[in-house]
Amino acid sequence: GDSVTQMEGPVTLSEEAFLTINCTYTATGYPSLFWYVQYPGEGLQLLLKATKADDKGSNKGFEATYRKETTSFHLEKGSVQVSDSAVYFCALKKAAGNKLTFGGGTRVLVKP
Amino acid sequence: GAVVSQHPSRVICKSGTSVKIECRSLDFQATTMFWYRQFPKQSLMLMATSNEGSKATYEQGVEKDKFLINHASLTLSTLTVTSAHPEDSSFYICSASGGLAGANEQFFGPGTRLTVL
Repeated sequence: GDSVTQMEGPVTLSEEAFLTINCTYTATGYPSLFWYVQYPGEGLQLLLKATKADDKGSNKGFEATYRKETTSFHLEKGSVQVSDSAVYFCALKKAAGNKLTFGGGTRVLVKP
Repeated sequence: GAVVSQHPSRVICKSGTSVKIECRSLDFQATTMFWYRQFPKQSLMLMATSNEGSKATYEQGVEKDKFLINHASLTLSTLTVTSAHPEDSSFYICSASGGLAGANEQFFGPGTRLTVL
C-alpha cells in the first residue's frame, strides 16, 4: 500500500539555521505531495504542495521539490525562525480519490 | 476562504457518556468530510470519510458503532463518540473538501481534544 516516511524528530535548531526534513514515499502512479504544518494545540495547515514530477512547492520561505526518480519530497528552509517551531507532516494523495496518507510527523524546535 | 471550524475545541467527559463533535465548513460546501484521530506525538490516523447524504466509509479497525458519523448537510458533519472510555481520549481533527474549495485539497479544522475521565 501507499506509505510516507519522514525523518524522526525532534529536530532542534538555532534561529537562522538551515532546515531540511527528509520525506520519501511509496505509491503507484503519480500522487500529489504535500507538506502540512501543525502548531501546538492546533489543526493542520497546508504549507505547500506539488502535483507532478519536478514541480517545486514554496511558501513562507519553505521549499520542496517533487523528485520522482528518488520518490522524495524533502522540505527545506534557508533561515528558520522561532515561529517555525511546529510539527511538520509530509503526505501524499493518489490521483484517484481524495484520501491523504501521512508520514509520522517531524517535530522542529527552533531556539533563539 | 476555505475555513473549517470544530466545536468544541476541548471537552472533558465521564466514562460511559457520549460526546458529539461538530465540524463545519464556513465558506464553502463540503461534499466530503474526513475524520482523523491523532495520538500524542503521532501522526494522523484516518478514521472515516463521509460524503454528504450518504453513510460514512470507515477505515479498517475503526468501530462504526462507537464512532458515529453524520454528514447531513454540505456544511456540517458530526462525530459522536458513544460510551466513551479513557482510551478514547485523543485529539480529533476533521477536514473538508469539495465545492468552490475544490475536490483535490483538504482543509483542516483546528481539532478537538477529548479527555475521558
